[in-house]
Amino acid sequence: AQTVTQSQPEMSVQEAETVTLSCTYDTSESDYYLFWYKQPPSRQMILVIRQEAYKQQNATENRFSVNFQKAAKSFSLKISDSQLGDAAMYFCAVGGATNKLIFGTGTLLAVQP
Amino acid sequence: GAGVSQSPSNKVTEKGKDVELRCDPISGHTALYWYRQSLGQGLEFLIYFQGNSAPDKSGLPSDRFSAERTGGSVSTLTIQRTQQEDSAVYLCASRSSGRPYNEQFFGPGTRLTVL
Repeated sequence: AQTVTQSQPEMSVQEAETVTLSCTYDTSESDYYLFWYKQPPSRQMILVIRQEAYKQQNATENRFSVNFQKAAKSFSLKISDSQLGDAAMYFCAVGGATNKLIFGTGTLLAVQP
Repeated sequence: GAGVSQSPSNKVTEKGKDVELRCDPISGHTALYWYRQSLGQGLEFLIYFQGNSAPDKSGLPSDRFSAERTGGSVSTLTIQRTQQEDSAVYLCASRSSGRPYNEQFFGPGTRLTVL
């Protein structure tokens, strides 16, 4: 079975500052994948970043990067130079050979001007 | 190109009625998923279609829920005898063939309200 835990229901960050969203997971699969999705009020789920578990190098996409600690089963998201448009609900998810994604309960990020 | 589309965007129904939710995936995507997002919760997997293979129905919460995918494209999620606890946003996603690592593209969802 796979589970995902996001322990921060809400976070707040000042514009241009850096914020880190936490995520821990559990999976019995040896080959799995991790994702961060963003969901603004429009409800549209948007992929932010993804990581294959066998890769040791942390994924980076522009201002977004992850800290993947495989042994600790931790997959945190760092947003640098936060912008007002980053305000949204962020979901961590794990997927594997079963193809379905298991999502956490989300972190609501507010960006203060 | 066009993304994943879903209809209707909102649906209000009375308890006990049947509803059908539609999903049009991205053209050429062989994998299609349905998820449910209840208020304040994450997304809950419901069902997965891959090409002509038998669907993975392991996430369907009861036998009142069913889904089909015709011609490997459009999918319909049907909820029979709706209950108030079925109220949620139902999201559809599609993915191109290949590894599950490939991105799932989501539609805007259908918000279902059962009175």
